[in-house]
Amino acid sequence: DAGVIQSPRHEVTEMGQEVTLRCKPISGHNSLFWYRQTMMRGLELLIYFNNNVPIDDSGMPEDRFSAKMPNASFSTLKIQPSEPRDSAVYFCASRKGTLSNQPQHFGDGTRLSIL
Amino acid sequence: DQQVKQNSPSLSVQEGRISILNCDYTNSMFDYFLWYKKYPAEGPTFLISISSIKDKNEDGRFTVFLNKSAKHLSLHIVPSQPGDSAVYFCAASSNFGNEKLTFGTGTRLTIIP
Repeated sequence: DAGVIQSPRHEVTEMGQEVTLRCKPISGHNSLFWYRQTMMRGLELLIYFNNNVPIDDSGMPEDRFSAKMPNASFSTLKIQPSEPRDSAVYFCASRKGTLSNQPQHFGDGTRLSIL
Repeated sequence: DQQVKQNSPSLSVQEGRISILNCDYTNSMFDYFLWYKKYPAEGPTFLISISSIKDKNEDGRFTVFLNKSAKHLSLHIVPSQPGDSAVYFCAASSNFGNEKLTFGTGTRLTIIP
């Protein structure tokens, strides 16, 4: 079975540019999560969706970040304009059902470098 | 504030011995705990979990212990194998109107052959 698919795997861009990260969750999963991993703060939840509806975006750092889930099989995380401090690994995860006692399945991440 | 803490950034253990990874939490509303394992350039993979109604859960070489009064949990791996070398994340959640996971910062485990 295909797991969570993220693209691109690596992105290097200049400060000020728009960055779009993409995620395809596992088919049949109802919840989708975007995380950011940094050395200082570890894995931080940015936003999550249940049944394509954003539930909690309190982790989104600022208005430069936005996320959408237009359908059950696709989500995007956009940063505009990007800044060097946004450099991190961004993970997408999906989960079957909406209860937290079910494990999340992670993609392999997008390593983002903002110069 | 870090609600889930893994105070040891790294741990080295001889192959065949027991590895013990520790995790502390501060939020008494947490009622479900998970351990994830992460290899370089890959996403975290679910390893084992425990509900707050239990104090132990075992799956093969992996056992998680929960001490609610101390707000502490630990992951035991025995015997440790070279393939266990990875970063281990502890995570916690609460079903009281909050379905998200809060992760610790991880412990890098190195198994020495």
